[in-house]
Amino acid sequence: SQTIHQWPATLVQPVGSPLSLECTVEGTSNPNLYWYRQAAGRGLQLLFYSVGIGQISSEVPQNLSASRPQDRQFILSSKKLLLSDSGFYLCAWSVPGLAGNEQFFGPGTRLTVL
Amino acid sequence: GENVEQHPSTLSVQEGDSAVIKCTYSDSASNYFPWYKQELGKRPQLIIDIRSNVGEKKDQRIAVTLNKTAKHFSLHITETQPEDSAVYFCAATVYSSASKIIFGSGTRLSIRP
Repeated sequence: SQTIHQWPATLVQPVGSPLSLECTVEGTSNPNLYWYRQAAGRGLQLLFYSVGIGQISSEVPQNLSASRPQDRQFILSSKKLLLSDSGFYLCAWSVPGLAGNEQFFGPGTRLTVL
Repeated sequence: GENVEQHPSTLSVQEGDSAVIKCTYSDSASNYFPWYKQELGKRPQLIIDIRSNVGEKKDQRIAVTLNKTAKHFSLHITETQPEDSAVYFCAATVYSSASKIIFGSGTRLSIRP
């Protein structure tokens, strides 16, 4: 069966510090991968998605970046965190398909920028 | 791009009553409409979905309806129970290789005992 992992689970970082969040998927090949951010009490904002190794699409301008160095690994990074980067970061995967498929979410990383 | 609007933002119903959440979408090319439930501090999980070639789908106490002409879809929960309390998100996916899902802003559903 497929599983999706995220780490760390929680993170407290000072403003201006770098960030690296990691997501890995097991039990499937060539998944679509996604990064979302959820501010406290708010909805899910799609940040990045990837349909293959090295293929990253950005949805919103920001100081974050994403990379997919391996088929089942998705990394979210920042060189300098802002207060507004605080939130719940969710990684998700789906089976590729033109007709649309369920997205499976990881357990999330709760980031607090102070 | 696709835009999904969801109403109401909060909903409180008496246990045993029905709850209805409504969403509209903007891109007529959208063809897959999932609904996710998110409990406090946890990840969203799919509860039901519908594709554009179907008008209605039901799974026990949960049903979803889709009106392609009007570009709106709704979630219906009957005989609500305390464990139905959560935030519910509607979403729409455009036919593409990326299967991007655009989420609504969420509805916080509270079930009063």
